[in-house]
Amino acid sequence: KQEVTQIPAALSVPEGENLVLNCSFTDSAIYNLQWFRQDPGKGLTSLLLIQSSQREQTSGRLNASLDKSSGRSTLYIAASQPGDSATYLCAVTPYNQGGKLIFGQGTELSVKP
Amino acid sequence: DAGVIQSPRHEVTEMGQEVTLRCKPISGHDYLFWYRQTMMRGLELLIYFNNNVPIDDSGMPEDRFSAKMPNASFSTLKIQPSEPRDSAVYFCASSPTGLAVSTDTQYFGPGTRLTVL
Repeated sequence: KQEVTQIPAALSVPEGENLVLNCSFTDSAIYNLQWFRQDPGKGLTSLLLIQSSQREQTSGRLNASLDKSSGRSTLYIAASQPGDSATYLCAVTPYNQGGKLIFGQGTELSVKP
Repeated sequence: DAGVIQSPRHEVTEMGQEVTLRCKPISGHDYLFWYRQTMMRGLELLIYFNNNVPIDDSGMPEDRFSAKMPNASFSTLKIQPSEPRDSAVYFCASSPTGLAVSTDTQYFGPGTRLTVL
């Protein structure tokens, strides 16, 4: 059974710091991995999607990496800003389960001015 | 496009009452997903539809839960009778195609916060 774990559960950093969020998954048989952002009281917004054949994806100050063989992904946020404060979730799409996403519990990020 | 629309945004009801949550997916999306989010269990997939047909309902917790998609622009999730442990945020999401064969992501609605007293 695929399980997704995110560490740490919460993180507080001063503005301007670079930071890394971690995600691990137990079964490497996946089509892709995604990072989502969730703001309080709102739905999820997809930030980056990495296909299983890719190693990383970049969007602005965000960079996500994928090491499928070791079951790990990281989300790197450069020069963090207070507006980055949110919960970040990673999710994988396992083989042979249609389009089902398996989510981690999320990392709650707080960036202090 | 208005995105995925869910109603109501908040629902407070008493144990034993019927609850109906509604979702309008993004026009042209073939897939619709219902999720539940709680502090204890995180975000869980309940059921998903492809072209209005339920494909996988293995995440539906029990017979008190049912979901329908009568047409491409509307879906409901019903709980009858409701119980306090059903309190959660329920999200609807839609996708143009199945993630397994494309790079399309899922687009989430704002959610319905359900409180069962």
